[in-house]
Amino acid sequence: GIQVEQSPPDLILQEGANSTLRCNFSDSVNNLQWFHQNPWGQLINLFYIPSGTKQNGRLSATTVATERYSLLYISSSQTTDSGVYFCAGSGWGSQGNLIFGKGTKLSVKP
Amino acid sequence: DTGVSQDPRHKITKRGQNVTFRCDPISEHNRLYWYRQTLGQGPEFLTYFQNEAQLEKSRLLSDRFSAERPKGSFSTLEIQRTEQGDSAMYLCASPPSGSSYNEQFFGPGTRLTVL
Repeated sequence: GIQVEQSPPDLILQEGANSTLRCNFSDSVNNLQWFHQNPWGQLINLFYIPSGTKQNGRLSATTVATERYSLLYISSSQTTDSGVYFCAGSGWGSQGNLIFGKGTKLSVKP
Repeated sequence: DTGVSQDPRHKITKRGQNVTFRCDPISEHNRLYWYRQTLGQGPEFLTYFQNEAQLEKSRLLSDRFSAERPKGSFSTLEIQRTEQGDSAMYLCASPPSGSSYNEQFFGPGTRLTVL
């Protein structure tokens, strides 16, 4: 099955700093999502981005489907950005079930 | 609020007891997924329903697990004879109503602790 690798596993930033999170897939996917998991466990949808670039406020994401990776950019980080960020994708021919990476744990210090 | 609700939010049980969780997906959508998340890991797929039909089950879904989706609306996940290794967050997800693509929205989860 598809393997999803996220890097870095942990990231500590000072408030106001920028960061880039990466997600690599072992095979092509037909669905790619980025999530932020809050301290209560709720997965919050950030981007649905099987290809291309999208922006939402201080967050943006780029997926290069032909090279099987996606990047999540966080600019001017805030303490409320802290948490775990997951990327996930589903394989072609699957029933759409998502395969998740292990996540990047982000801590933003004031 | 994603429109997906789960009940209960927390469940503490003793080893060997049976537990049942409920998921109410985004209304009128035919696809529903169950996932399990253990500490420090990403969610892992358990099973998938299209309407009332259970079309795929992960190898993680042992014989002690059963899921149903009567009438293609809400879904239940039952674990029989719980074990300490079943302690996890159980999540359900569905795409929004009318969606023709696969973006999934997750419920708040049920956190199970088996003592």
